[in-house]
Formats: sequence, C-alpha cells, structure tokens
Amino acid sequence: DTEVTQTPKHLVMGMTNKKSLKCEQHMGHRAMYWYKQKAKKPPELMFVYSYEKLSINESVPSRFSPECPNSSLLNLHLHALQPEDSALYLCASSQGAPDRVSEGYTFGSGTRLTVV
Amino acid sequence: GNSVTQMEGPVTLSEEAFLTINCTYTATGYPSLFWYVQYPGEGLQLLLKATKADDKGSNKGFEATYRKETTSFHLEKGSVQVSDSAVYFCALSSIYNQGGKLIFGQGTELSVKP
Repeated sequence: DTEVTQTPKHLVMGMTNKKSLKCEQHMGHRAMYWYKQKAKKPPELMFVYSYEKLSINESVPSRFSPECPNSSLLNLHLHALQPEDSALYLCASSQGAPDRVSEGYTFGSGTRLTVV
Repeated sequence: GNSVTQMEGPVTLSEEAFLTINCTYTATGYPSLFWYVQYPGEGLQLLLKATKADDKGSNKGFEATYRKETTSFHLEKGSVQVSDSAVYFCALSSIYNQGGKLIFGQGTELSVKP
C-alpha cells in the first residue's frame, strides 16, 4: 500500500461548526504532516508529527487542532473557522529524518474545505 | 536560508512541443531535489527526484538533472501531451533545515493545447 488516504474529499461547514479531517497511511512512515493549499499556490506547512509526537506547529491558529492517535492515523479538528480558511488541506507522510531527505513525501488527494 | 525559485507561469504549449521549466535553489549542504506535479482537483504526486550532484531523475518522459555548479534542477520533456496540463512544483529537502523539511517553489502552471 503506497497511498495516503484522506476523508472526506469535500467538506462545507459553517463558522460555528466542529468537524474533523482524517488521514491514514499504511506505508510504515513515521512522520505525518498537515498542509494548507490555496489555488495554484505551493502547500503551506501547518503541523508535523514525528513518531506520533507533535514536532512542528507553524504558528497555526488554535481553531485548528491536530491529533495523531497512532502511527497510521492523523486527524485535524476544526472549530470556529473563518471563510479565509477555505482551502485544500493536504496530508502527507514520510520516513523519519534523515531518510525523508532522499525519499520525499507521499501526499494524499486532499480535502477541499469551504467555510460559509 | 533554503529556498527554491521557479519560472513564473502560466506556460502554454501546443501538443508535442518541447517543455522546459526552470528551477534554481539556495541551500545549506547537499539537498535532495524533487519535482511534484498536481493535476486539477488532485493532491501532489512525486514526479521525479535526485539526491546528489549530476544525478538525473526521470519519469513519464520527464527528466531533470541535479546541477550543483549552477544550483539548478530544470524540468524537461521532449514532447508534451494535453494530459500533462498541471501545476509543477520544484522542491528541496536538506537535513540542515529542520531535519528535512520540504521547501517548495511557487509552482508553474502548464497548459497544453491540442
């Protein structure tokens, strides 16, 4: 299995809603990532989990809350989002450092989020 | 700091034309270099990679050579197809930058017309 699976593919939520994005990989990768991407722009790193511990938080607002229940799963909990948070949210996984330097990351297809 | 610069798009070509997308980088040490492709409505896919100087990555007719002397990793394809229409991202990863954090260029949109 060489895929990163994200659900749901599309999500529309109101500014008072609570929702969660899910990501799963079965490649034995020990690092998992959340990215935010606006149309035709490069992905922006949000969070990094390494060996199931949060290792990088790129100053993301607290309305985004990541969770890594185990080495295969990554969640992103959403609460009180703003319309400007509408974007494609990508999950990725990789080997731990230093192997990820040469191997790169595997990305999922993303969740397209619309906040209304 | 580490950075990647790509030629600006959009690039519009006719089918069977030759493609070059320029990519240059600034990095500490000896980074690995990648090209990712994003088709409309999809996530990023790794297209090819090179991990040391003079390596050539290749996949699906695309090629790129790691040129340390010019700090470049230009993407080329001899004959593009309509199905190659996508956004292409050049990226680097270096152990000296947050343990291999992936650094992306701005992306180049390619549109291939029949």
